[in-house]
Amino acid sequence: GAVVSQHPSRVICKSGTSVKIECRSLDFQATTMFWYRQFPKQSLMLMATSNEGSKATYEQGVEKDKFLINHASLTLSTLTVTSAHPEDSSFYICSATGQGDYGYTFGSGTRLTVV
Amino acid sequence: RKEVEQDPGPFNVPEGATVAFNCTYSNSASQSFFWYRQDCRKEPKLLMSVYSSGNEDGRFTAQLNRASQYISLLIRDSKLSDSATYLCVVNTYNQGGKLIFGQGTELSVKP
Repeated sequence: GAVVSQHPSRVICKSGTSVKIECRSLDFQATTMFWYRQFPKQSLMLMATSNEGSKATYEQGVEKDKFLINHASLTLSTLTVTSAHPEDSSFYICSATGQGDYGYTFGSGTRLTVV
Repeated sequence: RKEVEQDPGPFNVPEGATVAFNCTYSNSASQSFFWYRQDCRKEPKLLMSVYSSGNEDGRFTAQLNRASQYISLLIRDSKLSDSATYLCVVNTYNQGGKLIFGQGTELSVKP
């Protein structure tokens, strides 16, 4: 079946630094990538939607200059958290859809802790 | 009002019990409906899609009532391994195909 590889699975960084999270579709072409954030005891909240080769569409309240999304190829999308602060600590997860009947394939998530 | 609302949890039930989860959605244009399961600190996994005619997969039965904008999941003969958070998920194609998640209902099955 379809697989999305997400890295890193866990990262701890200092406040003010930037962190890049990668999601790769291994056996299909991910035409659309959704990026979610999940705080403890809460559900997944959509941050942005990106289509390959286009600028991402951000949800209301999500700062596009802080959460940089790149989807330059059909197999790779990245989310960069710039100038991270402790309140950005969360579980970030991607979900891809592609050509064919693949449905929504989730990455395994990245647990970010900003200290 | 949240787009997708679920029963508050947690549900604590003994093994073998039958448990039902409810969910309502606010957008009448929603077209696809799902139940996902999420284990602690893991990604959500698709449990089953939900169809208007109702559908069953082993011990799991899902129902959809479009008129009431209501979705349900019934788990029969619950197992310890069913302990997880169950997420009600809605897809409204006119929103670009994005999935909208409910806040989830935590289930704990005890021996």
